[in-house]
Amino acid sequence: KAGVTQTPRYLIKTRGQQVTLSCSPISGHRSVSWYQQTPGQGLQFLFEYFSETQRNKGNFPGRFSGRQFSNSRSEMNVSTLELGDSALYLCASSLGGLAGGNTDTQYFGPGTRLTVL
Amino acid sequence: GNSVTQMEGPVTLSEEAFLTINCTYTATGYPSLFWYVQYPGEGLQLLLKATKADDKGSNKGFEATYRKETTSFHLEKGSVQVSDSAVYFCALRSNDYKLSFGAGTTVTVRA
Repeated sequence: KAGVTQTPRYLIKTRGQQVTLSCSPISGHRSVSWYQQTPGQGLQFLFEYFSETQRNKGNFPGRFSGRQFSNSRSEMNVSTLELGDSALYLCASSLGGLAGGNTDTQYFGPGTRLTVL
Repeated sequence: GNSVTQMEGPVTLSEEAFLTINCTYTATGYPSLFWYVQYPGEGLQLLLKATKADDKGSNKGFEATYRKETTSFHLEKGSVQVSDSAVYFCALRSNDYKLSFGAGTTVTVRA
């Protein structure tokens, strides 16, 4: 079974631009979560989607948004990029729904490395 | 809110040494607990998990026991190898659809 895939793997943008990152979950997984990883703040939760609905959101400004499609693929968008948005963005998928709950195990993709200049 | 505290690194060991990484948590309800590992330039890999008190998760020689009375989930391995060099993250998941992570512990194993 293929794992979680993320595209692109690397991105270089300049301040003020916007960026869209893509995540394809493991087949059969309906929940997709996004995390930001930086050396200073560690791993921080951005948001989680299940069946095209956002169920939870972390403490990030409105410049960070996401969506999920009917095939469970997800995208996240960051508008008006700032230098501090430079990070590794990780996507994770899990079964979600009734098969989930607090035992639902998340499997991570390789991440997208975003550099903002 | 939920939080995870794990021992500060970095940790440097010789091959075949015993490894322990301490992890304690604060959570409402009955969370599940996880250890993830991250190798350089990669995403997170699930190492092991435990979903209820007294459960023991194990994988690749690593073990951790869910201790509700001490709110801990310490990671142990009896004999480490150079290939175990990585960053290890303790995490918990409660009924809020997200993982809460510790700060990560960098482990370096020398031959």
